[in-house]
Amino acid sequence: QSVLTQPPSVSGAPGQRVTISCTGSSSNIGAGYDVHWYQQLPGTAPKLLIYGNSNRPSGVPDRFSGSKSGTSASLAITGLQAEDEADYYCQSYDSSLSGSCVFGTGTKVTVL
Amino acid sequence: QVQLQESGPGLVKPSQTLSLTCTVSGGSISSGGYYWSWIRQHPGKGLEWIGYIYYSGSTYYNPSLKSRVTISVDTSKNQFSLKLSSVTAADTAVYYCARGGPDFWSGFFWFDPWGQGTLVTVSS
Repeated sequence: QSVLTQPPSVSGAPGQRVTISCTGSSSNIGAGYDVHWYQQLPGTAPKLLIYGNSNRPSGVPDRFSGSKSGTSASLAITGLQAEDEADYYCQSYDSSLSGSCVFGTGTKVTVL
Repeated sequence: QVQLQESGPGLVKPSQTLSLTCTVSGGSISSGGYYWSWIRQHPGKGLEWIGYIYYSGSTYYNPSLKSRVTISVDTSKNQFSLKLSSVTAADTAVYYCARGGPDFWSGFFWFDPWGQGTLVTVSS
């Protein structure tokens, strides 16, 4: 069971801005641990989209941006495009038990 | 450019041991401070981290799975492997290998790149 909660789905028209939240707790995001984001296109492996809360790897369009505040993080997609239709996952570290890498529940982005 | 490729049986019987191998190309598995990791995704569900083997050979597993997981490395073949014992239908998933870094314990840690994934079904 995931300890990071995301909305199951978000949608928007082409060109619009959508945001995906990732809500954690005091043992993960709230403890100051970084949040990273992945995009999973249908039938493919996840791909790193944002690392260290707000950094984009080389090749990732600047339409994607990340932020973190308190016990939550957000991924924003501006100028939504049809090719952005995918599942998105956040990931962080959780210090409970012995410590573990944890993923969010995932959000399906639909381009209307 | 580092690439990873999973291989292994696509069908495993209940109570047996699931065994997968990840072959790394484009870079040496024993160089650099990377955490060679396994992650799985149950059908239609989210991602679950299984564990890693550090380039030095040390391992760390998801506490929820650690009693059944073993990750090992064969540097001569530039491969690392996953063994998951006593499998049940709940272990049916797509299994991914990925390179993790740079620092697991600080949380400044992500996975890039990933293998394409391999579906393992547990069924008699």
